[in-house]
Amino acid sequence: DIQMTQSPSSLSASVGDRVTITCRASQRISTFLNWYQQKPGKAPKLLIFASNLHSGVPSRFSASGSGADFTLTISSLQPDDFATYHCQQSYRTPFTFGPGTKIDIK
Amino acid sequence: QVTLKESGPVLVKPTETLTLTCTVSGFSLSAVRWDVMGVTWIRQPPGKALEWIAHILSNDEKSYNMSLNNRLTISKDTSKSQVVLSLTNVDPEDTATYYCARIRIVGTAYYFDYWGQGALVTVSS
Repeated sequence: DIQMTQSPSSLSASVGDRVTITCRASQRISTFLNWYQQKPGKAPKLLIFASNLHSGVPSRFSASGSGADFTLTISSLQPDDFATYHCQQSYRTPFTFGPGTKIDIK
Repeated sequence: QVTLKESGPVLVKPTETLTLTCTVSGFSLSAVRWDVMGVTWIRQPPGKALEWIAHILSNDEKSYNMSLNNRLTISKDTSKSQVVLSLTNVDPEDTATYYCARIRIVGTAYYFDYWGQGALVTVSS
């Protein structure tokens, strides 16, 4: 199975900050990497699939990377962005998720 | 409007079979040649990471997470707009929130674009 790791596991940030989260795959997965946002007690929401912004997702979210190393960037953190972010590879089944990165308020 | 909703037992005893149903609306489970989609099941144990379980596509293609040791069966009833997941011989490690989600395929990229609210299932005697 392809193992996914994320760093950091958590971070504290302020509204307006630029935030970058890293995701790494245990093998090369081309650009088959998706990002989800999850708030406590809620289902994840799709943000980005294969570097494409999902419909309705604000343009402050962007993603880059290919091969094994990927990043999610929030250009200017908003109050609604405090949540946990998960990466997920869709290169090969079993599809696997990273452990998540929690962003909380500094 | 695309919606998915999970239903099933809240509490299951060890060794029993867990059966969950995902009822969908706003899209069809029938095959459409130019737009392959389907339903996937994902679970999340309390405080832990998301785990992909299985999916079934509109063309009836099925895929399972083999780490669950052949305990899984996924099926769909197109007329009822339902996807059913069965997990046999459950144990407390299967305690989790179970989500169903729509799976979309663009080219060869799979992603989960709409999710149900989730159903917490506890395995305990």
